[in-house]
Amino acid sequence: KNEVEQSPQNLTAQEGEFITINCSYSVGISALHWLQQHPGGGIVSLFMLSSGKKKHGRLIATINIQEKHSSLHITASHPRDSAVYICAVYHNTNAGKSTFGDGTTLTVKP
Amino acid sequence: NAGVMQNPRHLVRRRGQEARLRCSPMKGHSHVYWYRQLPEEGLKFMVYLQKENIIDESGMPKERFSAEFPKEGPSILRIQQVVRGDSAAYFCASSPRSGSYNEQFFGPGTRLTVL
Repeated sequence: KNEVEQSPQNLTAQEGEFITINCSYSVGISALHWLQQHPGGGIVSLFMLSSGKKKHGRLIATINIQEKHSSLHITASHPRDSAVYICAVYHNTNAGKSTFGDGTTLTVKP
Repeated sequence: NAGVMQNPRHLVRRRGQEARLRCSPMKGHSHVYWYRQLPEEGLKFMVYLQKENIIDESGMPKERFSAEFPKEGPSILRIQQVVRGDSAAYFCASSPRSGSYNEQFFGPGTRLTVL
């Protein structure tokens, strides 16, 4: 079993829909990082969080440390949101090491 | 303030040759991380370096791979005697410090193709 599990693996939505991507982890972490990888391959940092909730524009990220679970929400989704969303956790036993989920491929249709 | 720079962006090597991938961190960042993304797979941690020190190389293959981050100049990921299985995208990230409150910023990646 992977240390970081994302669901769903693939997600197709219609423009305007509310999107939720989930990330569960099994190791002790110091922080969790949500990343976006575009079809061209570039990686963009979305959120880094260790507790609670963060919001930026139409994106919201939450984390529940006790349940070892994080969610990434996209409100009013748009075709330009189509990308792979990756969850990464930073191990609390080693500040530099991270483990990545396999990613969720999101396709938003107009 | 330029972002993380990686070069080359694309690198083609024949089996048995050496590949050198360079990463210049963001200004003021002294921590560098290397990741590999095999085709159709997720990102995997390779190595974490600070200036002149390797902090964690637990994700590095035991043979043919090495990394350095000298006092001056970029971080280098070196792959000796490349094989087809080394074909992947190699990403570098940097942060000002380690720890949970120090976000990593990613470079554009180097796509290595081994013929």
